[in-house]
Amino acid sequence: DAKTTQPPSMDCAEGRAANLPCNHSTISGNEYVYWYRQIHSQGPQYIIHGLKNNETNEMASLIITEDRKSSTLILPHATLRDTAVYYCIVRPPGTGNQFYFGTGTSLTVIP
Amino acid sequence: GAGVSQSPSNKVTEKGKDVELRCDPISGHTALYWYRQSLGQGLEFLIYFQGNSAPDKSGLPSDRFSAERTGGSVSTLTIQRTQQEDSAVYLCASSLHTQGGHGYTFGSGTRLTVV
Repeated sequence: DAKTTQPPSMDCAEGRAANLPCNHSTISGNEYVYWYRQIHSQGPQYIIHGLKNNETNEMASLIITEDRKSSTLILPHATLRDTAVYYCIVRPPGTGNQFYFGTGTSLTVIP
Repeated sequence: GAGVSQSPSNKVTEKGKDVELRCDPISGHTALYWYRQSLGQGLEFLIYFQGNSAPDKSGLPSDRFSAERTGGSVSTLTIQRTQQEDSAVYLCASSLHTQGGHGYTFGSGTRLTVV
């Protein structure tokens, strides 16, 4: 079962930062926080992941609270192409465990 | 290939017929996963292959569903005696064993419609 809670939908103005929250209050010490997104009619795409520290890559930033019970994905300058469903997932490292995808947050970037 | 390839991209079948869905993972990826996604829903795990190990079939919804992976590469998901509730997008993903979740690459899926 999904161990995360996300708002079902959000809007963001084009060019502004999109901040997508995720609650994972039952996260275990060895579980990572992963974010994927799914653009309409495509398979999910990896965005970023982290354990304790904040992370940044070319796509986004991930802010994890000190108690690790919640996190925020930040798209610094949202574009229309960022309109997608964003999934927050927690799981232990390694490929032996499947990802549990919830229903995610449907982000709409508005021109 | 450069990505995960799935075929067919769309399949319409009559209730009660058998269907086969194919997944070509990225060359060298040892882990392969099947998921399905019903309309407006999240992804549901079906089955996981890792190298020559016995597959994790814990997500298969019934014995009408089976999958195999030949030669550690191409995988086929078979649904026997299809039902209308089997209608969904079936997604395949592959990853290098050592890369974990960030190495997960998904295909574009097969949209199955059972009429």
